[in-house]
Amino acid sequence: DAKTTQPPSMDCAEGRAANLPCNHSTISGNEYVYWYRQIHSQGPQYIIHGLKNNETNEMASLIITEDRKSSTLILPHATLRDTAVYYCITASKLTFGTGTRLQVTL
Amino acid sequence: SQTIHQWPATLVQPVGSPLSLECTVEGTSNPNLYWYRQAAGRGLQLLFYSVGIGQISSEVPQNLSASRPQDRQFILSSKKLLLSDSGFYLCAWSVGRESPLHFGNGTRLTVT
Repeated sequence: DAKTTQPPSMDCAEGRAANLPCNHSTISGNEYVYWYRQIHSQGPQYIIHGLKNNETNEMASLIITEDRKSSTLILPHATLRDTAVYYCITASKLTFGTGTRLQVTL
Repeated sequence: SQTIHQWPATLVQPVGSPLSLECTVEGTSNPNLYWYRQAAGRGLQLLFYSVGIGQISSEVPQNLSASRPQDRQFILSSKKLLLSDSGFYLCAWSVGRESPLHFGNGTRLTVT
C-alpha cells in the first residue's frame, strides 16, 4: 500500500497561493491520489483527486509529477476559511495520516 | 443529491456500557460504507468497511463491531466500552473503487 508523507504544518498569507506538497513514492500505477481537508470538529471534505494528469476544479488544482511520486495541492487565493488540516491519501487502504495543518493569516 | 446522516453528534458514556452509532446514506444505491475513528490530534484510523449488506471487513481488531442490516445503513457497536474507545467517529460512503469518500459530521464519544 502506498504511504504518503506531508509536512506537519504550513503558513500562508491570505490572498496568496497555498502550495501543499505530498510525497507518495510507492504509489502503484493504477492508484489515484486524493486530497481532503478537515476543519476543526467536522468530517473531512473531499477536495480533488487525480491519476496522472493535472486536475482543476472550483476549489483547487492538483499537480502530479510525471513519475507520480509526489503531488502538490494548490489553493490559488487562500482565505481565512481555508485554515484546516489537509490530507493526501492514495486509494488502496484509505489510510489518513496526520496531514498538513495549514494556517492562513492576515 | 446524496446525503449522509450520523447521530448522535456527541455522546458521553460510562465505561462498560454498550454503544450503538448509526449512519444512513440517502440518494444512492449500494454504496461502500466506512467507519473511521480519530483520536485527539491524530489522523483517521479506518475501523470497518462494507461493500454490501452483511459484508463487513475489519481493519483493526478491537472492542468494536459493525453491521450493515440494510443497503444504506451502517451501525457501529460495542458491548462494553473502554476508556480507549473515546474519540471522534466518522462514517463515510463512496460509490465504486475510485470515487472519493464523503463523510458525515461525526460523533464525538467520550467514555468516562
